Amino acid sequence: GEDVEQSLFLSVREGDSSVINCTYTDSSSTYLYWYKQEPGAGLQLLTYIFSNMDMKQDQRLTVLLNKKDKHLSLRIADTQTGDSAIYFCAERAGGYNKLIFGAGTRLAVHP
Amino acid sequence: GAGVSQSPSNKVTEKGKDVELRCDPISGHTALYWYRQRLGQGLEFLIYFQGNSAPDKSGLPSDRFSAERTGESVSTLTIQRTQQEDSAVYLCASSLSITTDTQYFGPGTRLTVL
Repeated sequence: GEDVEQSLFLSVREGDSSVINCTYTDSSSTYLYWYKQEPGAGLQLLTYIFSNMDMKQDQRLTVLLNKKDKHLSLRIADTQTGDSAIYFCAERAGGYNKLIFGAGTRLAVHP
Repeated sequence: GAGVSQSPSNKVTEKGKDVELRCDPISGHTALYWYRQRLGQGLEFLIYFQGNSAPDKSGLPSDRFSAERTGESVSTLTIQRTQQEDSAVYLCASSLSITTDTQYFGPGTRLTVL
């Protein structure tokens, strides 16, 4: 079956790097996504990676994909207080037109 | 419009009443999705539309839930005889097509069933 798991909470100091991890079970996943949810707001697409890639960088964001271990990570460099939010990992499994989401990781950034 | 919009933003209802939630997708997006987010949990897929058709209704929790889409635009999610376990945020997303995977989400409707 399809399952996506994330740790629930991460606390970092402002200016440090944050690494949010995610594991998934469906080896046929074609795309993997990171969404950000701020309080009272909808989900904002941060970045995504296609399954034939192992890394993608976009400004302060770096996504690493280990297909063998079915492990996805999101690294945020120079974390700022504005990065405080819940981050959701999601997979689009092959042949499905729906996203399977993890429970979300709450990132808290402190001075 | 510029993004996906949903209404109402908040809905409080009594157990047993029917509710209708509305989603306006991004103009030109043919695919539309409904998800449910219970408190402290990730998103749970409910249903998607390709045009006005819903090929996959497998995520609807019960026959009290139904959805329709008209004019390849607005969609409504209807919950009949609401129960307390229906309390959640209902999120709508749209994408240019089913094969273009990037889904853009609306702000959601927070439903509270008393």
